[in-house]
Amino acid sequence: DQQVKQNSPSLSVQEGRISILNCDYTNSMFDYFLWYKKYPAEGPTFLISISSIKDKNEDGRFTVFLNKSAKHLSLHIVPSQPGDSAVYFCAASEGYSSASKIIFGSGTRLSIRP
Amino acid sequence: NAGVTQTPKFQVLKTGQSMTLQCAQDMNHEYMSWYRQDPGMGLRLIHYSVGAGITDQGEVPNGYNVSRSTTEDFPLRLLSAAPSQTSVYFCASSTGVQETQYFGPGTRLLVL
Repeated sequence: DQQVKQNSPSLSVQEGRISILNCDYTNSMFDYFLWYKKYPAEGPTFLISISSIKDKNEDGRFTVFLNKSAKHLSLHIVPSQPGDSAVYFCAASEGYSSASKIIFGSGTRLSIRP
Repeated sequence: NAGVTQTPKFQVLKTGQSMTLQCAQDMNHEYMSWYRQDPGMGLRLIHYSVGAGITDQGEVPNGYNVSRSTTEDFPLRLLSAAPSQTSVYFCASSTGVQETQYFGPGTRLLVL
C-alpha cells in the first residue's frame, strides 16, 4: 500500500521549458512534504519543502504546489537546465512526534534534452 | 565536516552470511534513518532513531536490526542475508523528522 505515489517513472523535457513532476498521497494526516533530487551513485539531496498550511513555496527556479483537497503536489522547474537531469523523489511525513516517519515515493527520472 | 559517511561502498555476500553496514554523522543530529532503494520502489524506510538509545521500525524492517548507542553512529545489521536484500542502502540524518535529511553516499549490497 503506497502512501506516496509518483505515477510517472520518467519525464523528458526540452532545455529551457518547464518541467512538472507530480506526486499523489493517500494519508490525509500528512502535513509536511518534501522533494529530493538524486544523481547516479550519490545520496539524495534536499530540494524544497512545503507545510500543509501553505499551498505554494518557491525557491529560485523551483516551486512546489500543494492541493490538499486533491491530495496532490507538484514540483515545477522553470527554466529546465541540463543539470536538472536526475531522479526526483517526493516525500511526506505526519507530525513532529517521535513516531513520525518520512515516506518516499518511487521517484521520477527527469531528462532534460538539448 | 564529513556529513554522513557510510561504509563499505560495495559488498558481496553469500546467502546466510551476516554483516553490518556502518553509518556515522558528525552534525550532532538526533534523527537518523536507514532506507533501501530498489528499482521502481523508491526509497523505503527500514529503521529509524530519534536519539541515542531509541529505535523504531519503518516500512520494511524484517531481516534487519539496528541499535543507537551514540548520537553519531547508527549501524544496520543483516543477521542472515537473503537475495531479496540485494539493494542500495542509504543512511540519513537530520535535526528532526520534519527537517532536511542529509543522506550518505550509499552502500551497494549484492547477496548471491
